[in-house]
Amino acid sequence: QKEVEQNSGPLSVPEGAIASLNCTYSDRGSQSFFWYRQYSGKSPELIMFIYSNGDKEDGRFTAQLNKASQYVSLLIRDSQPSDSATYLCAGLVSGGYNKLIFGAGTRLAVHP
Amino acid sequence: DAGITQSPRHKVTETGTPVTLRCHQTENHRYMYWYRQDPGHGLRLIHYSYGVKDTDKGEVSDGYSVSRSKTEDFLLTLESATSSQTSVYFCAISDGGPGNQPQHFGDGTRLSIL
Repeated sequence: QKEVEQNSGPLSVPEGAIASLNCTYSDRGSQSFFWYRQYSGKSPELIMFIYSNGDKEDGRFTAQLNKASQYVSLLIRDSQPSDSATYLCAGLVSGGYNKLIFGAGTRLAVHP
Repeated sequence: DAGITQSPRHKVTETGTPVTLRCHQTENHRYMYWYRQDPGHGLRLIHYSYGVKDTDKGEVSDGYSVSRSKTEDFLLTLESATSSQTSVYFCAISDGGPGNQPQHFGDGTRLSIL
């Protein structure tokens, strides 16, 4: 059973701080990873995707991938109350399958 | 926002009745997906389509069937709904396979089966 694991949280950070969200995966062959943000009662929206080891930056967001340790992380700099949401990590199932496996999500709460 | 419309947005029905959910896209994307989302489980793939009349099963396909007769429409059918199928259902689309192109989600359908 291929899995993506996330701490459910809530992760509470003060406004302006760096929020660090982590995700581990069991499928060693997985090559592609995605981070989605989901506000309560809304649909998931894509934040970033990462395919290569290392860091990928986009504005206040940085995704980090470490394939040797099988973890993916998302850093949010200068966190704002509007960043309060559930963050979903997803990995592509290896072996030529056109499927993503999603983690259950981490709830982030940014307090003023 | 990606042009994805799910209908209905809300539905309440009784156990044993058939239910069909519709996903309509205006992006001409090849791939379409149906997920369900339940507390503590995240998003789980039910079925997906990689072209007209081309579909495959996901991880929770039992009790569900799908059809795609046109590029823009992907239907999810519960032949005989059960209470365990109460969930929020999301449709997603992508221009290429999920390893190459990110998926974009519709607004969801909240389905309650009594």
